[in-house]
Amino acid sequence: EVQLVESGGGLIQPGGSLRLSCAASGFTVSSNYMSWVRQAPGKGLEWVSVIYSGGSTYYADSVKGRFTISRDSSENTLYLQLNGLRVEDTAVYYCAKGRPGYHFDYWGQGTLVTVSS
Amino acid sequence: QSALTQPPSASGSPGQSVTISCTGTSSDIGGYKYVSWYQQHPGKAPKLMIYEVTKRPSGVPDRFSGSKSGNTASLTVSGLQAEDEADYYCSSYAGTDNYVFGTGTRVTVL
Repeated sequence: EVQLVESGGGLIQPGGSLRLSCAASGFTVSSNYMSWVRQAPGKGLEWVSVIYSGGSTYYADSVKGRFTISRDSSENTLYLQLNGLRVEDTAVYYCAKGRPGYHFDYWGQGTLVTVSS
Repeated sequence: QSALTQPPSASGSPGQSVTISCTGTSSDIGGYKYVSWYQQHPGKAPKLMIYEVTKRPSGVPDRFSGSKSGNTASLTVSGLQAEDEADYYCSSYAGTDNYVFGTGTRVTVL
């Protein structure tokens, strides 16, 4: 059974850093493409970043240069390093497993990041 | 990349049909066959309902169907049931370095 479990969220001051983790089971993270998608309180879904099986990484313009997506094959875990956090980065962050055809078939339960002074 | 445009709300009585539109551009919806739809109940993670414009994952009722014409995609829910009340988001592939979601539609079962 495929499972994705995010962790690492919390309350952080503007300008601070956090690392989110997404522990996967039931499939191999490095053999699939994986994304982070966020949802600000009461708002819609926003794509954040993707890492393809070959290792290529891409980011939404809103986070480019501040966030870094990565994975650890030995831990079968996806990460998102968040630096230079802004109030507008406050959101629930979901990790999602990609499937051929550019869609996401499994999602984690999300982890809340709150950026506030 | 701007969000795809969806109506904020849609509604229907049990047993009726509701159709949600999702409008993009030739750089996303119009340029690829990779439109997907997600259902999200309050406080829950999104769930894949439709992929590649018209395909349904295993376990999704055939009451859910998708289509696309030009830069606009649509999701139709036929035979509305109480459990269909949720937020629905469209999404499109927009090139190697980009994915885009819709603004979301709240479906209410009257």
